[in-house]
Amino acid sequence: DVKVTQSSRYLVKRTGEKVFLECVQDMDHENMFWYRQDPGLGLRLIYFSYDVKMKEKGDIPEGYSVSREKKERFSLILESASTNQTSMYLCASTGQTEAFFGQGTRLTVV
Amino acid sequence: GESVGLHLPTLSVQEGDNSIINCAYSNSASDYFIWYKQESGKGPQFIIDIRSNMDKRQGQRVTVLLNKTVKHLSLQIAATQPGDSAVYFCAENIEGSNYQLIWGAGTKLIIKP
Repeated sequence: DVKVTQSSRYLVKRTGEKVFLECVQDMDHENMFWYRQDPGLGLRLIYFSYDVKMKEKGDIPEGYSVSREKKERFSLILESASTNQTSMYLCASTGQTEAFFGQGTRLTVV
Repeated sequence: GESVGLHLPTLSVQEGDNSIINCAYSNSASDYFIWYKQESGKGPQFIIDIRSNMDKRQGQRVTVLLNKTVKHLSLQIAATQPGDSAVYFCAENIEGSNYQLIWGAGTKLIIKP
């Protein structure tokens, strides 16, 4: 069974903290994505990566960075968390067809 | 200042009836379309896909129709069941974009008993 695994389902962090969200896929996919999902706004692309050490900005990269040191792992980093980054974060990977998603990480910044 | 709430379109369907969820896309260069289902507290899950050289594709209880003339995509669910309650997203892939999908806002499907 193919799998995309996000390290945490729920996180609570304080404003100003550095936050790491980890995502691992076991399908040997080249492409990996980080989205955030907010009520009524659908999925918005933060960053994506189409190869190891490669990264591209999505639609809303401000306040975020990413790391892809290994093909199977794509990390999202909030350098200094702010309350407006409270959201559901979804990781996905694709080969040549549909995207497979993780279960999501609900991050609350207080 | 005034805040504007964004409301998710909702479709309410009687259990056992057929559901039709619609999606408009904007880019003529889109060559691949996917429907996803997202249940509460979970990530989106693939339902069915269709390539732009097709106009219809059927799965188990689901059918996707593609009308390239008017840039319209629909998902039909036959004999809707309580387990079909979810938010449904359409997504399009623009040819050559490295599978960076463009997502619709989603439609919430509610099943009435």
